[in-house]
Amino acid sequence: QKEVEQNSGPLSVPEGAIASLNCTYSDRGSQSFFWYRQYSGKSPELIMFIYSNGDKEDGRFTAQLNKASQYVSLLIRDSQPSDSATYLCAVGGSEKLVFGKGTKLTVNP
Amino acid sequence: GAGVSQSPSNKVTEKGKDVELRCDPISGHTALYWYRQSLGQGLEFLIYFQGNSAPDKSGLPSDRFSAERTGGSVSTLTIQRTQQEDSAVYLCASSFVATVFQNIQYFGAGTRLSVL
Repeated sequence: QKEVEQNSGPLSVPEGAIASLNCTYSDRGSQSFFWYRQYSGKSPELIMFIYSNGDKEDGRFTAQLNKASQYVSLLIRDSQPSDSATYLCAVGGSEKLVFGKGTKLTVNP
Repeated sequence: GAGVSQSPSNKVTEKGKDVELRCDPISGHTALYWYRQSLGQGLEFLIYFQGNSAPDKSGLPSDRFSAERTGGSVSTLTIQRTQQEDSAVYLCASSFVATVFQNIQYFGAGTRLSVL
């Protein structure tokens, strides 16, 4: 069974710090990797996607993928209180995505 | 439409009643997914549709759950004889296609189902 594991947290960082969120997956054949942000009571919204090994940067967000280690991470630089949310990692092959249970991030002013 | 639209946003029903949840995907998206999210839990895959292909029903938790997609667009998730454990947020997502590199899923706001 394909699994995606995330530390449930909560992860607490001070405002302005770097938040590091991690995710491991079991299916070595996975080809697409996504990070979604979910505010309390809201639906998931896409932050980033990555398909190739290495880093992908978008503003304050950087996704990192290491297929050999079956590991994907999300770095949030200059964390803001508005970044406080649950972050869902999703991993997919050709069709369905498998979601992790999410890591709750709290950014303290 | 501009985004994935779900209705109703909230549904309260009595145990044993049937409910229908509706999802209208982003225009042009051929793949449509249903998920369930219980309080404090992750996303549980239920079913997905890709174009005119037979749906993947592998995530449906029981035969009380069914879904259809008419005309390749709007989808309805039906739960028959609802039970209290069916209480959750039901999320619909759509993507352009269900293939690698084009399977970015966009979510609707969800339907919060409460079974009394």
